[in-house]
Amino acid sequence: DQQVKQNSPSLSVQEGRISILNCDYTNSMFDYFLWYKKYPAEGPTFLISISSIKDKNEDGRFTVFLNKSAKHLSLHIVPSQPGDSAVYFCAASGDSNYKLTFGKGTLLTVNP
Amino acid sequence: NAGVTQTPKFQVLKTGQSMTLQCAQDMNHEYMSWYRQDPGMGLRLIHYSVGAGITDQGEVPNGYNVSRSTTEDFPLRLLSAAPSQTSVYFCASSRGLAGSYNEQFFGPGTRLTVL
Repeated sequence: DQQVKQNSPSLSVQEGRISILNCDYTNSMFDYFLWYKKYPAEGPTFLISISSIKDKNEDGRFTVFLNKSAKHLSLHIVPSQPGDSAVYFCAASGDSNYKLTFGKGTLLTVNP
Repeated sequence: NAGVTQTPKFQVLKTGQSMTLQCAQDMNHEYMSWYRQDPGMGLRLIHYSVGAGITDQGEVPNGYNVSRSTTEDFPLRLLSAAPSQTSVYFCASSRGLAGSYNEQFFGPGTRLTVL
């Protein structure tokens, strides 16, 4: 039973355009959501997060949107840069639990 | 600060061998965890610890043991390696304060191959 789903294994965009990565979850107890970025042969690094009391959080070129009723979140990267090419993992936690449940990841390729 | 360190970076084992993957953090984090990453599977939680002396199982604990004798160290032991344990292993830590959400910091990973 996959509680966090990233249904797009890969996404390709042109440099300068918007990248939109999607994530769906099924567990209504999740109340905190995070995005991690992972380059090959490195560990994941934290990118941005959002609490369930918000519906949007921005950090520079990165914005995360949360739609609680749809149990859906998305990460927008504007403008996309070649250095953004990486695997992006969506993760969730809930009920004051420090455990993270990860999606399977989406490989983003930004073409120059 | 070195952050989260993991050793070794690479390891090849034969089926049935045992070994310990080392993980250390210098951020005084209470929460530490081990994940494995397999192609098409994302990151799956093996074991975690909310403080020294306290450990618990995650999603895929079978075949692995952990202990947490100090805040800094959280080793992962493979008791009798199997080819199904071929994977990339990541250790992570976070402050883990009650009622406070903290992102987890990951180590660089250990790539393990079991023949």
